[in-house]
Amino acid sequence: GIQVEQSPPDLILQEGANSTLRCNFSDSVNNLQWFHQNPWGQLINLFYIPSGTKQNGRLSATTVATERYSLLYISSSQTTDSGVYFCAVERGDNRLAFGKGNQVVVIP
Amino acid sequence: GAVVSQHPSRVICKSGTSVKIECRSLDFQATTMFWYRQFPKQSLMLMATSNEGSKATYEQGVEKDKFLINHASLTLSTLTVTSAHPEDSSFYICSARDFWGQRTDTQYFGPGTRLTVL
Repeated sequence: GIQVEQSPPDLILQEGANSTLRCNFSDSVNNLQWFHQNPWGQLINLFYIPSGTKQNGRLSATTVATERYSLLYISSSQTTDSGVYFCAVERGDNRLAFGKGNQVVVIP
Repeated sequence: GAVVSQHPSRVICKSGTSVKIECRSLDFQATTMFWYRQFPKQSLMLMATSNEGSKATYEQGVEKDKFLINHASLTLSTLTVTSAHPEDSSFYICSARDFWGQRTDTQYFGPGTRLTVL
């Protein structure tokens, strides 16, 4: 099956700092989503982004499908940004494959 | 929009009992729902794909007799963990695809159910 690798696995940020999370995938995809899992376990949709660039407030994402990677940018980080960020991809068979996640801790 | 609920949010049961978890799409119709399992500090693993009105498709290594899935309507899928054992303790999460939505590939996730088997 398709492989999804996220880096870095763990990241500690000072509040106000910017960061970039990376997702590499091993094959072409129809669907790529970024999620934030909060401390209670809820997965929150951040972006549906199989290609191109999108922005939502302090978050933005870029997927370069031809080079099989996606980036999630967090600007001016806040403590509420803490949690695990997951990248998940799908090849058109309805099945999402998740990466292992980026554990982000934002320190005040 | 695109809200998915799960019930219960937390359940503790004795070994050997069966537990049913419900997944509902509250404001959209979902022909396809998915069930995932997540162990502490690990990623989500897809267990099965549930299609309304038909049998679920299980991932390799998932026991279909152990994890019974029923998708009786466009807004409800249930997962029953039969004869639960301590190794079944985990965080179970469902998701649903917004069938009529503009972005039909987007999956929306429920808040999860934490199962503890004593």
